[in-house]
Amino acid sequence: NAGVTQTPKFQVLKTGQSMTLQCAQDMNHNSMYWYRQDPGMGLRLIYYSASEGTTDKGEVPNGYNVSRLNKREFSLRLESAAPSQTSVYFCASSERSGAYEQYFGPGTRLTVT
Amino acid sequence: GNSVTQMEGPVTLSEEAFLTINCTYTATGYPSLFWYVQYPGEGLQLLLKATKADDKGSNKGFEATYRKETTSFHLEKGSVQVSDSAVYFCALYSGGYQKVTFGTGTKLQVIP
Repeated sequence: NAGVTQTPKFQVLKTGQSMTLQCAQDMNHNSMYWYRQDPGMGLRLIYYSASEGTTDKGEVPNGYNVSRLNKREFSLRLESAAPSQTSVYFCASSERSGAYEQYFGPGTRLTVT
Repeated sequence: GNSVTQMEGPVTLSEEAFLTINCTYTATGYPSLFWYVQYPGEGLQLLLKATKADDKGSNKGFEATYRKETTSFHLEKGSVQVSDSAVYFCALYSGGYQKVTFGTGTKLQVIP
């Protein structure tokens, strides 16, 4: 039981490049989330998926797109990376949206130069 | 909107000292409150939670009491260990289609 896995762990991009961050969970959870973590800002929600087949914007969605490929997988895509997207990205899942424990992956550290 | 305010860190304590990390919130309705912990190089994990006023959440020697009158959920531990060194996040969920709101985190360093 791996929980929530994320790939890659580290990535360096040049401005304008694109990439996809992958996330998968093996807990049969309905809800999945993408957050970014910046110093002094805490965690900010980028996008979430309350259930398979649905996605919604969070607090900071600009510059990102997501795909809920199936119940297990939720990917985050940066179409044209910018230095302001340098951050640590966390994927999380929970049984349902709401006051349910969220389980986090180990994070992806992204640097955009 | 909802918000969570935590004391700024870092907090540096000697082993076996008493810990308090303050957390206050602003929310509509009657939120559920959480403390998450992030160890170096890892994702967050739930430490404890409380879902209604006067509830006390506890885990691994940590405690926090949901105080509606002061809109607070302060984290306490009687005797910290070096292994408690981490970043602690206070969070809330206020119901319906709202999402979980996280505070900015408080870094705790415990020295031997």
